[in-house]
Amino acid sequence: EPEVTQTPSHQVTQMGQEVILRCVPISNHLYFYWYRQILGQKVEFLVSFYNNEISEKSEIFDDQFSVERPDGSNFTLKIRSTKLEDSAMYFCASTLGGAANYGYTFGSGTRLTVV
Amino acid sequence: KQEVTQIPAALSVPEGENLVLNCSFTDSAIYNLQWFRQDPGKGLTSLLLIQSSQREQTSGRLNASLDKSSGRSTLYIAASQPGDSATYLCAVRPDSGAGSYQLTFGKGTKLSVIP
Repeated sequence: EPEVTQTPSHQVTQMGQEVILRCVPISNHLYFYWYRQILGQKVEFLVSFYNNEISEKSEIFDDQFSVERPDGSNFTLKIRSTKLEDSAMYFCASTLGGAANYGYTFGSGTRLTVV
Repeated sequence: KQEVTQIPAALSVPEGENLVLNCSFTDSAIYNLQWFRQDPGKGLTSLLLIQSSQREQTSGRLNASLDKSSGRSTLYIAASQPGDSATYLCAVRPDSGAGSYQLTFGKGTKLSVIP
């Protein structure tokens, strides 16, 4: 079964550093997303991306964050000047289309620890 | 703003028992609802997706129902097994008319099946 692949599985970074989280969505999917889950809390939406542009973003997704699809397969989340509170599990997801019968496929996540 | 609540927060049952997990949402204008399974420190595995026009979906020992007007969904697990131990999350996608793809998650029900 096709998978969403995320790398690395765990990243430790110092406060103030920039990190890039990488994702390879399912190859024929058209919509891409980033979510995060702070330990013990709900999974929260960050951003959706379609046709090479952001289609929707949450209040969390401020100027510190950016997304990019640098080539035909990768989808990245960049976090500039990381803060302690950015420590969380970050999930990439994709959907084939926008219709109601298309569900999300999530990756296994990148655990980001900011020290 | 959509709120998703899952009750109970944790559930422990003996192996072989049938069980029901509950999910409620405050805004009935949803496009679909998806149930996920999350193992500790891992990603989200999609179990079932119910479109807003549907009443239930089945996959193996799992059956999910949706009552959109009352803002409720249930996940029924038959003949539970120790391998079913995980956290079960429900998530709703809004029918906002503007094409929102933002899932709102509940906090989950942590299920333990005792051998």
